[in-house]
Amino acid sequence: ILNVEQSPQSLHVQEGDSTNFTCSFPSSNFYALHWYRWETAKSPEALFVMTLNGDEKKKGRISATLNTKEGYSYLYIKGSQPEDSATYLCAFTIGSGGATNKLIFGTGTLLAVQP
Amino acid sequence: DADVTQTPRNRITKTGKRIMLECSQTKGHDRMYWYRQDPGLGLRLIYYSFDVKDINKGEISDGYSVSRQAQAKFSLSLESAIPNQTALYFCATSGAGRGQPQHFGDGTRLSIL
Repeated sequence: ILNVEQSPQSLHVQEGDSTNFTCSFPSSNFYALHWYRWETAKSPEALFVMTLNGDEKKKGRISATLNTKEGYSYLYIKGSQPEDSATYLCAFTIGSGGATNKLIFGTGTLLAVQP
Repeated sequence: DADVTQTPRNRITKTGKRIMLECSQTKGHDRMYWYRQDPGLGLRLIYYSFDVKDINKGEISDGYSVSRQAQAKFSLSLESAIPNQTALYFCATSGAGRGQPQHFGDGTRLSIL
C-alpha cells in the first residue's frame, strides 16, 4: 500500500516565525512530488512540483526540498504571515504501471498563523 | 472566470437518488480527475481520464461512474446515492508532462440524507 505521511498534523505559530513541515513517501519508483496550498473554502493550489533528487524550489517566502533516496520532502515558510494560514498538502506519483500523474495525497499540515 | 468549473457547488439529496456532478475546463488539458475529500483523510482518487477515449478507475471507484463527453468535460455520477458518499468532491486537470501540477475546481459539497 502506497502511503504519504505528513507531519505535524497541525501547527500554530506567531506572525514572523519561520516554520517547516515534513512529507514522507515511498522512495521506490519515484516520479514526482507535489506541494499544494489549500485555504478554507477554496480549491487546492499548486505550490511546487519536484522531480529530481536534491531539487530545491522557492516561491517568495516559501521553499521546498526533495530527497528521493530517503523518501522525504520539506516545506519551509520564512517569516510566517496570517495569510499563510492554510492546509499544506503533499502528494506523490510513482512512475510504473501507468500510474504517472495519479496523485496519492497525504492528510495535510494545518498551519495557523496568529497576528 | 475559473479555469476549472464544477457544478453544482452544493447539493443536498436523499438516499437512492441519482446525482451527477459536472466539471468543465478551459485549460486545454487532456487529463482530468475526480477526487473526494473526507475529514481526516487525504484527497482520494475516484476516476481519472487521460483523454476522451480513456477512462480509468481510481482507488475508490465503487458506487461511482464517469463520462468524458469532450476534452473539456468530465462528469461524475452516483447512480444510487448512499449517506457514506457525503463528502467534498473535487475535479482537477493536468497536462501530461512529469512536472505538471494539477489544477483544481472549487469543489462540490454533497450531502446525502
